[in-house]
Amino acid sequence: QQQVKQSPQSLIVQKGGIPIINCAYENTAFDYFPWYQQFPGKGPALLIAIRPDVSEKKEGRFTISFNKSAKQFSLHIMDSQPGDSATYFCAASKSSSASKIIFGSGTRLSIRP
Amino acid sequence: DTAVSQTPKYLVTQMGNDKSIKCEQNLGHDTMYWYKQDSKKFLKIMFSYNNKELIINETVPNRFSPKSPDKAHLNLHINSLELGDSAVYFCASSQDRGRAGAFFGQGTRLTVV
Repeated sequence: QQQVKQSPQSLIVQKGGIPIINCAYENTAFDYFPWYQQFPGKGPALLIAIRPDVSEKKEGRFTISFNKSAKQFSLHIMDSQPGDSATYFCAASKSSSASKIIFGSGTRLSIRP
Repeated sequence: DTAVSQTPKYLVTQMGNDKSIKCEQNLGHDTMYWYKQDSKKFLKIMFSYNNKELIINETVPNRFSPKSPDKAHLNLHINSLELGDSAVYFCASSQDRGRAGAFFGQGTRLTVV
């Protein structure tokens, strides 16, 4: 049972473009939605996160858009750079229960120079 | 200065052997995790400990036994290794049971031959 569905599986964008990665969740009890960035040979690193009381959050060139009614959220990367090439994971968890972060299946992003 | 450190980084061993992976965090977090990342990059939680107490055990074979001597350490011992155990294992930690995201170690690539 995949509780967090992520798409696309891979994405290629030209430098300066705006890659968008989408996620959908099933459990309405989820109340914390982080995005992680993973470079080859490294562990996932927390990039940005949002809670369902806001519809958008920006940190630098990274923006999360959140649609609570549709149970969807997405990551946008503005002015993308080759250094942004990595695998991106969306995730979800709920504060009310034991700590368990459910990850999406990942998106391999490649930014072409 | 590494926040979450795990050793070894690479582990190659024969089927049937027993091996351990160590993890330490210096962030003062109260919750630690073990995640398994398969060849398709899918991240799946295995265990979660909060203040040395096991709170999540995700139907992992009992050949896998986590041990938390104190809240800064969470080790993973694996008995009778099988080919299917080959994967990258990540240790992670978080504060407040993951309500603010998790910090991951660099991973241990386990190869069973």
